[in-house]
Amino acid sequence: GESVGLHLPTLSVQEGDNSIINCAYSNSASDYFIWYKQESGKGPQFIIDIRSNMDKRQGQRVTVLLNKTVKHLSLQIAATQPGDSAVYFCAENPGGGGFKTIFGAGTRLFVKA
Amino acid sequence: EAGVAQSPRYKIIEKRQSVAFWCNPISGHATLYWYQQILGQGPKLLIQFQNNGVVDDSQLPKDRFSAERLKGVDSTLKIQPAKLEDSAVYLCASSLNPGANVLTFGAGSRLTVL
Repeated sequence: GESVGLHLPTLSVQEGDNSIINCAYSNSASDYFIWYKQESGKGPQFIIDIRSNMDKRQGQRVTVLLNKTVKHLSLQIAATQPGDSAVYFCAENPGGGGFKTIFGAGTRLFVKA
Repeated sequence: EAGVAQSPRYKIIEKRQSVAFWCNPISGHATLYWYQQILGQGPKLLIQFQNNGVVDDSQLPKDRFSAERLKGVDSTLKIQPAKLEDSAVYLCASSLNPGANVLTFGAGSRLTVL
């Protein structure tokens, strides 16, 4: 069935270091991927997206990498700050015109000062 | 622009009671979603509306859950009767149209069923 999962449920990094959050997806037909950030008591917030015809996309301090061969997605955060502490979800659109967004279980990022 | 509004923020009920959650999406957003997020898990889609029509309700437990979006703007999600396993945060999200893909979420309504 369709599923989006994450390798690590918790990640702890030192302030100023780079963070890498990984995600594996199972549906090879998925054509669009999104990373969301969820802070405590809030709804998920869009960070960055990437379409399946790309392998890399950069935003402000964030980069998403897509490896379709092994169905792997990663989110890189440069110079991690305390404000980056949150749960990060990768989500996929499985295609087929349904525009359904399927979320993974999430990774909690702790930033140590 | 104003965000997605949800109420109530918190609700505590006993099992077998009923509860209703309200959502007001971003103005002009035709597509509205209700997600259920159980503690420690990612959001799970319950129902998706396009204007006032249902696009996908395949994961909505229809024996106890119902949702409507009568005028294509506000939406209400109801649970009757509630079970212990319904304890979760109910998130409402909206997007301009189904193809927009990026969802804007509200803060959620946290339900505790005792």
